[in-house]
Amino acid sequence: AQKVTQAQTEISVVEKEDVTLDCVYETRDTTYYLFWYKQPPSGELVFLIRRNSFDEQNEISGRYSWNFQKSTSSFNFTITASQVVDSAVYFCALINTNAGKSTFGDGTTLTVKP
Amino acid sequence: NAGVTQTPKFRILKIGQSMTLQCAQDMNHNYMYWYRQDPGMGLKLIYYSVGAGITDKGEVPNGYNVSRSTTEDFPLRLELAAPSQTSVYFCASSYGVYEQFFGPGTRLTVL
Repeated sequence: AQKVTQAQTEISVVEKEDVTLDCVYETRDTTYYLFWYKQPPSGELVFLIRRNSFDEQNEISGRYSWNFQKSTSSFNFTITASQVVDSAVYFCALINTNAGKSTFGDGTTLTVKP
Repeated sequence: NAGVTQTPKFRILKIGQSMTLQCAQDMNHNYMYWYRQDPGMGLKLIYYSVGAGITDKGEVPNGYNVSRSTTEDFPLRLELAAPSQTSVYFCASSYGVYEQFFGPGTRLTVL
């Protein structure tokens, strides 16, 4: 069985603050992929990043950065200098490499106030 | 490319009715998925397919059926609709375990 937990249901910050969204996962598989997706108020789902279970390098893309720590089964997402346009629901997800089965967390609703 | 298309966009069903939600992709992706998203909740996997002729149950398959006779299409069948199936349904496709591309969703209400 696999599970993804996003303990933070809602986060509210003021523009330009940094914010970290937590993601903790459980899986018995040794090979898997982790993802983050964004769902803005318009409702579509937008891919942000993919990371495989063998690559623990942190990644930075503009104001976004991701910290993958296999030892703690965590894949956290940080937004630096948040902007109002970052307001959305963010989902963490895991895919089992062998079977292709995907599991999403319940999401974290981020509100960035001007 | 149209990407992932879903029809209909909205539908209201009466309890006990049946319907098929259509999903098609034109990216030649081998993997396809059906999710439901209840208000304020995450995506729950209903069924998925890793190729034509292959389907498997996800986390919440009860009350649904799927088929995958072609690479492009992955219809989801609801039999005997119940109010608990009121949700937004998303179809997605991917090339293996790469990023999933999502359709715009179907908003279904069962009254």
